Amino acid sequence: DTAVSQTPKYLVTQMGNDKSIKCEQNLGHDTMYWYKQDSKKFLKIMFSYNNKELIINETVPNRFSPKSPDKAHLNLHINSLELGDSAVYFCASSQAGPGQGRGNTIYFGEGSWLTVV
Amino acid sequence: AQSVTQLGSHVSVSEGALVLLRCNYSSSVPPYLFWYVQYPNQGLQLLLKYTSAATLVKGINGFEAEFKKSETSFHLTKPSAHMSDAAEYFCAVRNAGGTSYGKLTFGQGTILTVHP
Repeated sequence: DTAVSQTPKYLVTQMGNDKSIKCEQNLGHDTMYWYKQDSKKFLKIMFSYNNKELIINETVPNRFSPKSPDKAHLNLHINSLELGDSAVYFCASSQAGPGQGRGNTIYFGEGSWLTVV
Repeated sequence: AQSVTQLGSHVSVSEGALVLLRCNYSSSVPPYLFWYVQYPNQGLQLLLKYTSAATLVKGINGFEAEFKKSETSFHLTKPSAHMSDAAEYFCAVRNAGGTSYGKLTFGQGTILTVHP
């Protein structure tokens, strides 16, 4: 059973379109993330949610809107797609909570390859 | 702010040779450090992590890393490379700030090539 699953894995779309990437984790974690990996393989966090509450928003354009219907799901919606949005988007999750510290492992999904043409 | 720097974007070794992938960190507080591996067209898999316990950390697939505070380093090693080790390796530091919601800040990645 996949711990962190994302769909779709591959997505090719035209500029200006709106698209969504879905993510689900079955690990019982309460914190979820979206990371972006660019063409040079550089990984950077976009968002973090804890128990459906936005915790981190790393200067991501407003065209990107995360939505967390429950703590097991964190979807990413992108409006008016641009060429520069082409990247691999990784969903991830970890367990947080008082006293558990920064040592908790962050588990990543398989990634969603987005190509904007 | 915390950061990591991976020295060498590409490392090439022969099968059976020692693997050494370098990572240096910058942190004003005791760091929590991670190594992840990414195989082609796949997600990131945790190899090992340092969370202020033992300074020599053993991970999966025969990898280990040693935390050296005096050198601000967390280099990844494996005594004998296998062809299956060919992948990209990322060092990361977990954000400090009194919360475990902290983000991972990644290094630039090191591509490991293993040749026969």
